[in-house]
Amino acid sequence: DVKVTQSSRYLVKRTGEKVFLECVQDMDHENMFWYRQDPGLGLRLIYFSYDVKMKEKGDIPEGYSVSREKKERFSLILESASTNQTSMYLCASTPGGRIYGYTFGSGTRLTVV
Amino acid sequence: TQLLEQSPQFLSIQEGENLTVYCNSSSVFSSLQWYRQEPGEGPVLLVTVVTGGEVKKLKRLTFQFGDARKDSSLHITAAQTGDTGLYLCAGDGSGNTGKLIFGQGTTLQVKP
Repeated sequence: DVKVTQSSRYLVKRTGEKVFLECVQDMDHENMFWYRQDPGLGLRLIYFSYDVKMKEKGDIPEGYSVSREKKERFSLILESASTNQTSMYLCASTPGGRIYGYTFGSGTRLTVV
Repeated sequence: TQLLEQSPQFLSIQEGENLTVYCNSSSVFSSLQWYRQEPGEGPVLLVTVVTGGEVKKLKRLTFQFGDARKDSSLHITAAQTGDTGLYLCAGDGSGNTGKLIFGQGTTLQVKP
């Protein structure tokens, strides 16, 4: 069974901390994505990557950065966590092409206090 | 900007009832997908439709892609409590990056 694994299910961090969210996929997928999901706002794309060391900004990249040093791993970095970054973070991957769907991880619920 | 609008946003029904969820846009999509998400989990792909007018069935769930590829519907027959969850439609409008545009979702509660 194909898998996308997010390193933490729940995280509590303090304002100003640097936060790393890790995502690993075992499907040799080219494309990986980071979304945040908030009630009433749906899924919003933060960053995506279509190849190793390549990254593209999504709709809400401010306050975030990403790293993709290896094909299977896509990391989301909150440079200086703020309370408005409290959210559910979802990682997804896909081989690309219009017939393929996303495989999502189980999500990381981040609370910034 | 491509947008997908889902309706209704919330639906609460009794077990055994039928329901339809709609996903509409003014833009054309090359494909459209439906996902279901349970609380505390990531969304799980249910189906992908790629041809205008296409109908796909998954047990009691029927998915339809509009002829003009701008809209889709999900119909559930004889809903069960296990159908409870958030249903998301998503459209692929941007070629081979696989970047999807998601609707806001429909929260379905099926009561016993």
